[in-house]
Amino acid sequence: RKEVEQDPGPFNVPEGATVAFNCTYSNSASQSFFWYRQDCRKEPKLLMSVYSSGNEDGRFTAQLNRASQYISLLIRDSKLSDSATYLCAVNDEEAGGFKTIFGAGTRLFVKA
Amino acid sequence: DTAVSQTPKYLVTQMGNDKSIKCEQNLGHDTMYWYKQDSKKFLKIMFSYNNKELIINETVPNRFSPKSPDKAHLNLHINSLELGDSAVYFCASSQVGLGYEQYFGPGTRLTVT
Repeated sequence: RKEVEQDPGPFNVPEGATVAFNCTYSNSASQSFFWYRQDCRKEPKLLMSVYSSGNEDGRFTAQLNRASQYISLLIRDSKLSDSATYLCAVNDEEAGGFKTIFGAGTRLFVKA
Repeated sequence: DTAVSQTPKYLVTQMGNDKSIKCEQNLGHDTMYWYKQDSKKFLKIMFSYNNKELIINETVPNRFSPKSPDKAHLNLHINSLELGDSAVYFCASSQVGLGYEQYFGPGTRLTVT
């Protein structure tokens, strides 16, 4: 089993749609979770950290389910500019926080 | 001001050559990283340094030698380049203990011919 697995994608959605991505992780000791966004030929950029109680930033909502070891990202009212690859990331606590494991990413295409 | 910068942005070279990539961060972070993103877009950690000390070495061939002259710089030297080294190399930094969020440089696209 991969350490961090994501929905394979790509997701093709119309503008205004709601889309959800899931990510599972294998290490139950993990404490820190993130979603990054990567545009084509650009570097990953932090979209949001994921907190135990779940958190929201505008149209984006992140949830953590420790019991099932998955995190999710919900995007409401999709915009054309949301088209990108979304990377799930999990900190390896056994490495003292010095190692973050990334999923393979899920591509999102938002169409007019 | 660019928070994490890398040079060069593009690097095209022949097999067997030696090349270096430089990275600098002005965020005051104490931890820096090198990642490799291959053609399948999988982002994999290679090294992490904390306060100039090597902390993580993810079974990277010893042709790859990172060097951290100070907390703000982490360079990557690659000897005897191979075709399989072609990838995008990203430098990143974070402040461990304060959220672990990572800030990435723009990447260096290495092509080995």
